[in-house]
Amino acid sequence: RKEVEQDPGPFNVPEGATVAFNCTYSNSASQSFFWYRQDCRKEPKLLMSVYSSGNEDGRFTAQLNRASQYISLLIRDSKLSDSATYLCVVNTRGAQKLVFGQGTRLTINP
Amino acid sequence: GAVVSQHPSWVICKSGTSVKIECRSLDFQATTMFWYRQFPKQSLMLMATSNEGSKATYEQGVEKDKFLINHASLTLSTLTVTSAHPEDSSFYICSARRETGDGYTFGSGTRLTVV
Repeated sequence: RKEVEQDPGPFNVPEGATVAFNCTYSNSASQSFFWYRQDCRKEPKLLMSVYSSGNEDGRFTAQLNRASQYISLLIRDSKLSDSATYLCVVNTRGAQKLVFGQGTRLTINP
Repeated sequence: GAVVSQHPSWVICKSGTSVKIECRSLDFQATTMFWYRQFPKQSLMLMATSNEGSKATYEQGVEKDKFLINHASLTLSTLTVTSAHPEDSSFYICSARRETGDGYTFGSGTRLTVV
């Protein structure tokens, strides 16, 4: 079983729609959680960290359920520029390395 | 903000040759450097972790004699793909961890094509 699992998609949604991604992780010792965004042939870039209480950054909302080992990302009022691959990333307590999910590919259509 | 400069951006080489990829932290000291590989439509897979002045720690299945990592200073880490073969063609990305905080900064990646 992969340590971080995501639905690879692709998701194709119209501009302005709300879209949600899910992610599950297998290591209960995971401590830090992130969503990264990766554009084609580019490096991943941090979109937002995910906190236990849930957090919001503009049109983006991230939630964490430690009991279910489940992370989500919600994008409201999607823009064409939101088209990218979204990577769920976890970091385990005491370890330095980041573990990446496969990524979910999102395309926003005009 | 913290920047990691990675070179080259892309390289095409002949099978059997070696290729060196450099990652340089420009405005901070990178105590730890991570090297990832990403095949098309797949996630980033960690290859190895290096700390300045010590030997790199390789992930299971990654040949340390084929992928040579050097982290001789707090601002420079290199990955050398030795005797490259077509199956080594991939996107290689470095990521540096800063001394302070939990921030990770990624290089812009190197697309390696072995022909």
